[in-house]
Amino acid sequence: KAGVTQTPRYLIKTRGQQVTLSCSPISGHRSVSWYQQTPGQGLQFLFEYFSETQRNKGNFPGRFSGRQFSNSRSEMNVSTLELGDSALYLCASRGGAVNTEAFFGQGTRLTVV
Amino acid sequence: QQQVKQSPQSLIVQKGGISIINCAYENTAFDYFPWYQQFPGKGPALLIAIRPDVSEKKEGRFTISFNKSAKQFSLHIMDSQPGDSATYFCAASRMDSSYKLIFGSGTRLLVRP
Repeated sequence: KAGVTQTPRYLIKTRGQQVTLSCSPISGHRSVSWYQQTPGQGLQFLFEYFSETQRNKGNFPGRFSGRQFSNSRSEMNVSTLELGDSALYLCASRGGAVNTEAFFGQGTRLTVV
Repeated sequence: QQQVKQSPQSLIVQKGGISIINCAYENTAFDYFPWYQQFPGKGPALLIAIRPDVSEKKEGRFTISFNKSAKQFSLHIMDSQPGDSATYFCAASRMDSSYKLIFGSGTRLLVRP
């Protein structure tokens, strides 16, 4: 079974631009969560999608948004990029709504200059 | 109430020794406590997880000890090997529709040969 696939692996953007990151979950998994990892703040929950609906949202500004498609693939968008958005963005895949383990992809390293 | 506190920040252990990492949580609604292992340039990998209805869970050289009354749990790595050198994160969540992993700050483990 293929794991969680995130693309691209690396990205460099300029302040003020917007970016879209992609995540393909494990086949059959319906839940996709996004996390931001930085040296200062650690791993922080952004949001979770299940069956194309956002179920949970973390404490991030509205510039961070996401969506999930009918095939469970998910995209995360960050608009009006700030230097502080530089981070490793991780996607986690779960099989069901409850009682299942989360498996992470390798992440997308975003650098904002 | 959402915090998970992890200690120590870093740990150096000799090959064959026992590595112990501790975590404490506040929210008594948490009912799922996983540990993740992360190597540089990789996403976190699920190592072992425990529910609060058991006090200990062992998988190979990895053991989670759980103390519900103290709201603490710990990871023990027996016979530590240089290949175990990585960053370890504890996490906590509710295993329902409000699922989101709250991570500890991480412990950087170095196992010396």
